[in-house]
Order: sequence, then structure tokens, then C-alpha cells
Amino acid sequence: GQQVMQIPQYQHVQEGEDFTTYCNSSTTLSNIQWYKQRPGGHPVFLIQLVKSGEVKKQKRLTFQFGEAKKNSSLHITATQTTDVGTYFCALTDSWGKLQFGAGTQVVVTP
Amino acid sequence: GAGVSQSPSNKVTEKGKDVELRCDPISGHTALYWYRQSLGQGLEFLIYFQGNSAPDKSGLPSDRFSAERTGGSVSTLTIQRTQQEDSAVYLCASSSMGGGTYQPQHFGDGTRLSIL
Repeated sequence: GQQVMQIPQYQHVQEGEDFTTYCNSSTTLSNIQWYKQRPGGHPVFLIQLVKSGEVKKQKRLTFQFGEAKKNSSLHITATQTTDVGTYFCALTDSWGKLQFGAGTQVVVTP
Repeated sequence: GAGVSQSPSNKVTEKGKDVELRCDPISGHTALYWYRQSLGQGLEFLIYFQGNSAPDKSGLPSDRFSAERTGGSVSTLTIQRTQQEDSAVYLCASSSMGGGTYQPQHFGDGTRLSIL
């Protein structure tokens, strides 16, 4: 079945810096969702991307779906301590079942 | 409003015992999913319910695992003859389904299962 690879697995960021995490697939994706999981918490839905080349913004977070719909990225500007957590991309199938990437664990240094 | 509720929040049991994990989804959500999260395996899908039916059970790791959903609401995940490799956080999620679009999933806080 389809799989996604997330890179990097671990991201150490200085507060105020920008960073990007990537989600890559070898096959064309129908859509992709992004979730955030705070330490000790549960995954929380952030965004869904469906269209080729789609770009969506949520405050300091920018999500992009590649033109070929084989990759996606999450870019965070001016990182804050509240951005700490693990960010997952996930594929959905026709049932809505999520297949998660391994996640990018983000640590922010004040 | 009320979110997805799971109980118990923590469960410690001896190897070989049976355990039952409960999930109470958001009211009106017809789709319900069980996932498992462990250090070595990440987030894994276990089973999907639409109403009381389970059209996708492909993620259940063995026949020791079973799940049911009644009244289109509460779901129970049962693990029989628990093994140490069953130790993980079991997460339940629900979503509304309609129009062929993919809805976001709302997760509960999970049940942390530890097998001694």
C-alpha cells in the first residue's frame, strides 16, 4: 500500500527560527492530512490538503501540497515554545482510515 | 462540546489476562477508528467502524484482538491473553462521514496499557 516518509525525524529549533518538515511518497496521493501531538497528548488535526500545488496558512504555519501530489511540507516561521510536539502527516483511504508517517519531533530551545 | 472519551486512562495488567478498553465517540459521529501508538511502531491503524459495522479490520494484529460497537456509539476493544508486546497507548478517534469527503478525526486521550 501507499506509504509516506517524513523527514527529519527530529528537529531542534532555536526560538524565533524557522523550520520545515517534509512528507514524501513514491505514489500520487489523493489527499494528505497533518496532525500535531503535544508531549503526553493525543493527535490533533491541523489541516487537509487535496489539490495539486495547494498552499494553506494557519498563522505561522504554512502547509503545501506538491504539484505532482507526491509530497507535502509544513513550514513554521518564528518558532515558539508552544510549537513543541510531534507533527505527523497522514494519508487517508476511502474509509477515511489514517496511515501516519513516522512524525517529526520538534524541540524548541528558548 | 464533549470530545472523544476513553476509559480507563491507564491499565496495568499481568501477562495472560484479558482487557477491555472503551471509547465513547463524539455524539453524531458515525465513523470510529482504533489506533495503537508504541515507541517502535509509531501510530498504527487497528480497526474502523461505520455505524455498528466494521468494514476494515485489517490492522488487528492477531485473533486475540477484537472490537465491537453498539448503538452506533460506544466501542469496546478487547485483547485476550495479553502479551508484553501489547503494551502501548490505544487511541480512539471519531469523525463524521458524508459526501465522500475526508473528515478530520478527533482523538481521545487514549488508554495507556502496560503488560507486566
